[in-house]
Amino acid sequence: QKEVEQDPGPLSVPEGAIVSLNCTYSNSAFQYFMWYRQYSRKGPELLMYTYSSGNKEDGRFTAQVDKSSKYISLFIRDSQPSDSATYLCAMSGYLGAGSYQLTFGKGTKLSVIP
Amino acid sequence: DTAVSQTPKYLVTQMGNDKSIKCEQNLGHDTMYWYKQDSKKFLKIMFSYNNKELIINETVPNRFSPKSPDKAHLNLHINSLELGDSAVYFCASRSGGGQGFTYNSPLHFGNGTRLTVT
Repeated sequence: QKEVEQDPGPLSVPEGAIVSLNCTYSNSAFQYFMWYRQYSRKGPELLMYTYSSGNKEDGRFTAQVDKSSKYISLFIRDSQPSDSATYLCAMSGYLGAGSYQLTFGKGTKLSVIP
Repeated sequence: DTAVSQTPKYLVTQMGNDKSIKCEQNLGHDTMYWYKQDSKKFLKIMFSYNNKELIINETVPNRFSPKSPDKAHLNLHINSLELGDSAVYFCASRSGGGQGFTYNSPLHFGNGTRLTVT
């Protein structure tokens, strides 16, 4: 089992739809959870982050973490064509002996159709 | 006024050649990284580096070597290029030393160098 699993899509939705993107993970040491957005031909940029379990909202975006289920989600409300990008989850944690790890999911490609 | 800039943007070369990719960050960050993103968009760390410590992902072939002339630059030199090296290589940086990745020191990525080995 890979440490971080993410459905690569592609996912196509009509403009205005609610989008749900998800990742599962296996390493219980992960404590910081991030979502990066990557537009075509660009580098990833940090979109949202959460620490441990709970929800965080920023405008049309909501990040959720359920550590008991090892499951994280990113919701996009009122999706716009400008949201069309690849969304990568990423997570990090202290593994002991001075060792940290930042692991990315494979990314989900989202297209929002006008 | 790009924060993390890489050159070249595209690189096409033949098997067996040696090439370098350059990276510069003007964010004053302490730690820089090289990531490889394959055709399936999987982003994997290759190196992390600050003034004190170079950490190498054990899966990276020793044909790849990072070189840092100063804190703001981290170049990637690749010897004897192979077809499987074709990918997008991203430079990234963040503030703070050590390896801890937290929300208050997120990674800032460049726009990538698209390497094609023929």
